[in-house]
Amino acid sequence: GDSVTQMEGPVTLSEEAFLTINCTYTATGYPSLFWYVQYPGEGLQLLLKATKADDKGSNKGFEATYRKETTSFHLEKGSVQVSDSAVYFCAPKGGGSNYKLTFGKGTLLTVNP
Amino acid sequence: DAGVIQSPRHEVTEMGQEVTLRCKPISGHDYLFWYRQTMMRGLELLIYFNNNVPIDDSGMPEDRFSAKMPNASFSTLKIQPSEPRDSAVYFCASSLTGRSDPLHFGNGTRLTVT
Repeated sequence: GDSVTQMEGPVTLSEEAFLTINCTYTATGYPSLFWYVQYPGEGLQLLLKATKADDKGSNKGFEATYRKETTSFHLEKGSVQVSDSAVYFCAPKGGGSNYKLTFGKGTLLTVNP
Repeated sequence: DAGVIQSPRHEVTEMGQEVTLRCKPISGHDYLFWYRQTMMRGLELLIYFNNNVPIDDSGMPEDRFSAKMPNASFSTLKIQPSEPRDSAVYFCASSLTGRSDPLHFGNGTRLTVT
């Protein structure tokens, strides 16, 4: 079945620091790739997605590039803000008839002023 | 669009009681998912439906758990009898068909079983 490996958290950064959260995956077929964000007390929200190799998803200053050769989808942001403090989840959505998302364990990000 | 709506937001119950969680998916979405989130196990997929039909319930922990989707706009997850280890946040999500369509999540129900 599908699986995801995310870098272990928690990650603690100062405001305006550069962020990278690593994600590698295994999936059947040709998956789409998603990053979700979960703020305290809330559900998961879609942050960005990429649907084919070499596509770059971007939103709110975050970016991730679909790397098929390395089966990776690392999340980056050039300058984090305190408001980016949240849990981040990487998830492939497989091809064929597999329509479910398989989530990684999540990475807790804390940004200090 | 109101998004995925879950109720109640919080539920506190005693061990042995029946608990029913409710979900209204986004109109037009044909997939509905139930997830459970705990610190120990993270996000677990319990069951998902396509066009109101259960497709995969292999994640349902045991017979105490059951889920139904009587129509396209409503689903329930029932736990009977409830146990303290069922304490978790339960999320419902819905999506359109297709590998590029994201799941849209509700805000969850926080269940505490004492």
